[in-house]
Amino acid sequence: DADVTQTPRNRITKTGKRIMLECSQTKGHDRMYWYRQDPGLGLRLIYYSFDVKDINKGEISDGYSVSRQAQAKFSLSLESAIPNQTALYFCATSDLHSSGRTYEQFFGPGTRLTVL
Amino acid sequence: AQKITQTQPGMFVQEKEAVTLDCTYDTSDQSYGLFWYKQPSSGEMIFLIYQGSYDEQNATEGRYSLNFQKARKSANLVISASQLGDSAMYFCAMRGANAGGTSYGKLTFGQGTILTVHP
Repeated sequence: DADVTQTPRNRITKTGKRIMLECSQTKGHDRMYWYRQDPGLGLRLIYYSFDVKDINKGEISDGYSVSRQAQAKFSLSLESAIPNQTALYFCATSDLHSSGRTYEQFFGPGTRLTVL
Repeated sequence: AQKITQTQPGMFVQEKEAVTLDCTYDTSDQSYGLFWYKQPSSGEMIFLIYQGSYDEQNATEGRYSLNFQKARKSANLVISASQLGDSAMYFCAMRGANAGGTSYGKLTFGQGTILTVHP
């Protein structure tokens, strides 16, 4: 079973719609992250959370909101989707000494979102 | 602020040969970590190798090694004996730490390098 899961894996939506991307993890990590990937730009951080009560904006948070419902769940919402939010979205988790490599991040499989 | 630069949009290598993917970084943090991830066409992000800024030896993981030159702020990935399955996008990434040494955890990524391995 996958340690970090994302739902849905693919989504097509229309401009102006509200959409939620969900992330769940069974790794027991405190830290969770949302990134988006655009061609030629690598991955950019949208939001991150160090625990249930600690949520922080990343590099490109405008147009997005998040909810950390539990240690294992971190959801990303697009309040009113626009076409330039078409991208591949990744959830990731990390912990201090999970693998001996300080704060190695473990990524979910990604959600491919298309906004028409 | 942190910045990662990968100057090679695409690289080609013959099967069984070695290839070096370049990565330079910029940070004012005293403590930091450098990561390389592989992204095959299926899209998942696969961890390859990690180098801590205070590690005295270059990191190695099987066919992957990291050529860490701290003074030059470079962290190049070397893949030895390339295989067809190595064809993928490769990302260099960094995480920093605050003045007290506590890691921020979050990563800053470079733009990526597409590696194509020819038979």
